[in-house]
Amino acid sequence: GAVVSQHPSRVICKSGTSVKIECRSLDFQATTMFWYRQFPKKSLMLMATSNEGSKATYEQGVEKDKFLINHASLTLSTLTVTSAHPEDSSFYICSASMAGGGDEKLFFGSGTQLSVL
Amino acid sequence: SQKIEQNSEALNIQEGKTATLTCNYTNYSPAYLQWYRQDPGRGPVFLLLIRENEKEKRKERLKVTFDTTLKQSLFHITASQPADSATYLCALVSGGYQKVTFGTGTKLQVIP
Repeated sequence: GAVVSQHPSRVICKSGTSVKIECRSLDFQATTMFWYRQFPKKSLMLMATSNEGSKATYEQGVEKDKFLINHASLTLSTLTVTSAHPEDSSFYICSASMAGGGDEKLFFGSGTQLSVL
Repeated sequence: SQKIEQNSEALNIQEGKTATLTCNYTNYSPAYLQWYRQDPGRGPVFLLLIRENEKEKRKERLKVTFDTTLKQSLFHITASQPADSATYLCALVSGGYQKVTFGTGTKLQVIP
């Protein structure tokens, strides 16, 4: 089955630093990747949609200068949380849709727990 | 405004019984609906997809129904097992695969 690898799984950083999270599709090409944020006992909130070779589309209320997304290849998308603050602490999850997959399902990474001190 | 509602409280059932989870939505016209399983600290895992023109879908012990008139999907797990304990999310997908929107999830606990 299709596998999406996300790392790091957990990161603790100081306030003001930047953190990069990687999302890779290991055995398929992903034309589109999605980045979600999830608070405890809450649903996944879509932050942005990332298409290979083009600018990401951000959801309303998500600061594009704070959450930088790069989708440089069909197998890799990165999310960089710039100048992180404690309120950015959350569980971040990426997902990918398979190019030409036809069944429209999403494959999710295992998530990254970000804690900003 | 658009809403997707799932049982907000945890659902506890006895092993061997059928678990039924509900997903209701308003102000949506989804092309299809998906169900995912999420374990603590992990990303969701796809389970089933049902299209707007389908009434029912089955996969092993899982069954999903989709009623576009009632704007509701039901997710059934028959012969439930403790290993089925997890949070189950429904997700609506609009036409053209523009966006997947998730419900809040229902936490299922199967008691041995």
